[in-house]
Amino acid sequence: DGGITQSPKYLFRKEGQNVTLSCEQNLNHDAMYWYRQDPGQGLRLIYYSQIVNDFQKGDIAEGYSVSREKKESFPLTVTSAQKNPTAFYLCASSTGTVISNQPQHFGDGTRLSIL
Amino acid sequence: GQSLEQPSEVTAVEGAIVQINCTYQTSGFYGLSWYQQHDGGAPTFLSYNALDGLEETGRFSSFLSRSDSYGYLLLQELQMKDSASYFCAGVNYGGATNKLIFGTGTLLAVQP
Repeated sequence: DGGITQSPKYLFRKEGQNVTLSCEQNLNHDAMYWYRQDPGQGLRLIYYSQIVNDFQKGDIAEGYSVSREKKESFPLTVTSAQKNPTAFYLCASSTGTVISNQPQHFGDGTRLSIL
Repeated sequence: GQSLEQPSEVTAVEGAIVQINCTYQTSGFYGLSWYQQHDGGAPTFLSYNALDGLEETGRFSSFLSRSDSYGYLLLQELQMKDSASYFCAGVNYGGATNKLIFGTGTLLAVQP
């Protein structure tokens, strides 16, 4: 079955450490997205990518980095510069067509906590 | 700035009808989407309004009025499994693809 796989489900970060969250999709979608969700709040866009080897900053990109070397993969690195990384991280993908109803499909998320 | 406001919590009984409102302040929105998220899970797409008016999908309907910067999600014949958070999301132009700007979310509690 097609879908989005995020790993790990839970992740702990030590002070000053970079950690990388994995996101893989087999839906053949062009566009991929990373969101951050804090308790009781909506989703905020960190980065998004419309095509391989291209990505754009979202609303809260500081302290994060991404790469898009393959269509299927869009890993997110939470760097030591992100001083408040504890959150639920969601990856999504869509076919990416502009101005049309292209719903985003989400993975099951990764919960990141500080040790 | 761009923002979408929703009530934080709504409570209803099984079998009833409930309406979740969404008001927005933004420009450049091409439409309004709705997503459902059960506690700790992945959001799932429910509906999308590109034009003003009502869109119906089974027990769920969604409405959009661009002139009023307002939309709502209507859930009929409520079931216990409908207890979840519901998010409206503005579909925003982001270059060669669309971006979603999510609302604050509404926690729906369905009681027996």
